[in-house]
Amino acid sequence: AQKVTQAQTEISVVEKEDVTLDCVYETRDTTYYLFWYKQPPSGELVFLIRRNSFDEQNEISGRYSWNFQKSTSSFNFTITASQVVDSAVYFCALSEPRLDDKIIFGKGTRLHILP
Amino acid sequence: DGGITQSPKYLFRKEGQNVTLSCEQNLNHDAMYWYRQDPGQGLRLIYYSQIVNDFQKGDIAEGYSVSREKKESFPLTVTSAQKNPTAFYLCASSMRRAGAFYEQYFGPGTRLTVT
Repeated sequence: AQKVTQAQTEISVVEKEDVTLDCVYETRDTTYYLFWYKQPPSGELVFLIRRNSFDEQNEISGRYSWNFQKSTSSFNFTITASQVVDSAVYFCALSEPRLDDKIIFGKGTRLHILP
Repeated sequence: DGGITQSPKYLFRKEGQNVTLSCEQNLNHDAMYWYRQDPGQGLRLIYYSQIVNDFQKGDIAEGYSVSREKKESFPLTVTSAQKNPTAFYLCASSMRRAGAFYEQYFGPGTRLTVT
């Protein structure tokens, strides 16, 4: 069965520090998709990134970067020079096309950026 | 502006009453989804619909019902049979094309409290 594990329940860092959120997934399929979403205190989930299983290139978007490693089934998310506005719950998620495109979410990591 | 709207943001009901949560999208997305989120938990899929007039049960469909009479609308009814209805409910939508998969976009959510 597919599964997404975010072992870090809660993380607190001081503003301007770098922080990495871990995500480990399990799947038997060779084709799958991975996602990260941000949920600020307002509650709405904001889509951050999608990767497919055939593209292991790391991606950088401003202060955000993602490290996808199939060998360790991990898709980690790093925020560089964190800011208070980065405080939120972050969800990693997995989808397999054979499952009607349903997304399986991890339980989330609550990130506190302290001023 | 394209997006997903959910109304109302907060909803209060007495135990034993059915309540319907609204979800509308103007993104021209084919698929729509309903999730439930409990404190400190990830998202759990209630129902989803890939085309008009068709929908499937998710992981926790008991005590809920949906309809998909129009592409842009996917209302969720929380019935009196749902044992623990108090939760945060999120609606999402995504494009679907043969051989391709797209991320889900979320509405702002409805926080339902049943007493």
